[in-house]
Amino acid sequence: ETTVTQSPASLSVATGEKVTIRCITSTDIDDDMNWYQQKPGEPPKLLISEGNTLRPGVPSRFSSSGYGTDFVFTIENTLSEDVADYYCLQSDNMPYTFGGGTKLEIK
Amino acid sequence: EVKLEESGGGLVQPGGSMKLSCVASGFTFSNYWMNWVRQSPEKGLEWVAEIRLKSNNYATHYAESVKGRFTISRDDSKSSVYLQMNNLRAEDTGIYYCTPHYYGSSAWFAYWGQGTLVTVSA
Repeated sequence: ETTVTQSPASLSVATGEKVTIRCITSTDIDDDMNWYQQKPGEPPKLLISEGNTLRPGVPSRFSSSGYGTDFVFTIENTLSEDVADYYCLQSDNMPYTFGGGTKLEIK
Repeated sequence: EVKLEESGGGLVQPGGSMKLSCVASGFTFSNYWMNWVRQSPEKGLEWVAEIRLKSNNYATHYAESVKGRFTISRDDSKSSVYLQMNNLRAEDTGIYYCTPHYYGSSAWFAYWGQGTLVTVSA
């Protein structure tokens, strides 16, 4: 089973600042990493799919990079509406495994 | 528009059983693998089970934590997927979501329902 270690567990930034979230996998998963945003009371929303591909309609301030075992999710110029929990998911092998999540707050 | 509607959750005692349902619309259900993913404050998001297509003989896969206790099934004529949960434990408590995946797509779990809450407690 591929373990996904996500960090940090929480962070607080001012609007306009940059957010960086990291996921490290215990096995090489190529670029089979997905990133989700979840707001309170809602299901997760897929922002970025395998191959660091931004989903249609998702603002370009969201991006990701990485290959192999080290992956980074970035929000440039963070807005107050970006307050949410963020998760990564490896889809390279079963069982599919999620990171533990990052809670983003705005100062 | 893709819609997924989960139902069947509620309060159940440890050791009890419950069957969840998910009705889908807005896509060709029979062409999609169907998954159940659950979420709890303690364990976060956890993939639970997957069922593939008729052409895959409806192959199923389970998380180790539910293997032997949960059974996923589907009825393509009703665009529905089910999760039969037996011998429930407190750690099975959470919101259960169904989510489709199109084989070969790079987008995993792009669509989710609102989920159904399962509470296992005496």
